[in-house]
Amino acid sequence: QSVLTQPPSVSGTPGQRVTISCSGSNSNIGSNYVCWYQQLPGTAPKLLIYTSNKRPSGVPDRFSGSKSGTSASLAISGLRSEDEADYYCAAWDDSLSGVVFGGGTKLTVL
Amino acid sequence: QVQLVQSGAEVKKPGASVKVSCKASGYTFTVYYMHWVRQAPGQGLEWMGRINPNSGGTNYAQKFQGRVTMTRDTSISTAYMELSSLRSDDTAVYYCALVAVVAANEVDYWGQGTLVTVSS
Repeated sequence: QSVLTQPPSVSGTPGQRVTISCSGSNSNIGSNYVCWYQQLPGTAPKLLIYTSNKRPSGVPDRFSGSKSGTSASLAISGLRSEDEADYYCAAWDDSLSGVVFGGGTKLTVL
Repeated sequence: QVQLVQSGAEVKKPGASVKVSCKASGYTFTVYYMHWVRQAPGQGLEWMGRINPNSGGTNYAQKFQGRVTMTRDTSISTAYMELSSLRSDDTAVYYCALVAVVAANEVDYWGQGTLVTVSS
């Protein structure tokens, strides 16, 4: 059971916009930054979003992040086949004094 | 450029210990915490803990307290993660990483991962 809650799967068609939610609590998302990662099969996670809504250089602006209260979300617009991957949210948890991850969301591009 | 290069795959028997190394290059080793994250086959990411390479101070996830030891050798810019009393459910890919989660910057680099297989 992950501390941060994500939907197990989402899907969309090319060009569509999809969102992935991440629900936490006051001790993690409610008081700390959220990061989002993309993981392709057999590879290490890649940072997509940091400090809840910033993109590292090289990440397309099709990816955007937001946070409100104890929830965060990742939006992917102009969906492409290469976006098919697993996505994870992460945050620091003050109560646990550690990093907590969501359980991951598998994005399928139909 | 920042690189984290981990040691190779390991096969261990239940009850044994494993020590994974992570050699850092391309940055000042003592500046960023080194985190360890694992991923069991078909499962999600699980944070194990972190080490401050400057002081050697550690934070471990409660789940691994008493079984995990994180150390570092600053002379060779290498971090280590040792997990003891291995069980079959410790079979996973283990990553060392500089993660952006805590710091308000985009410093986020991961090693290539080390597969640890626990089997009798």
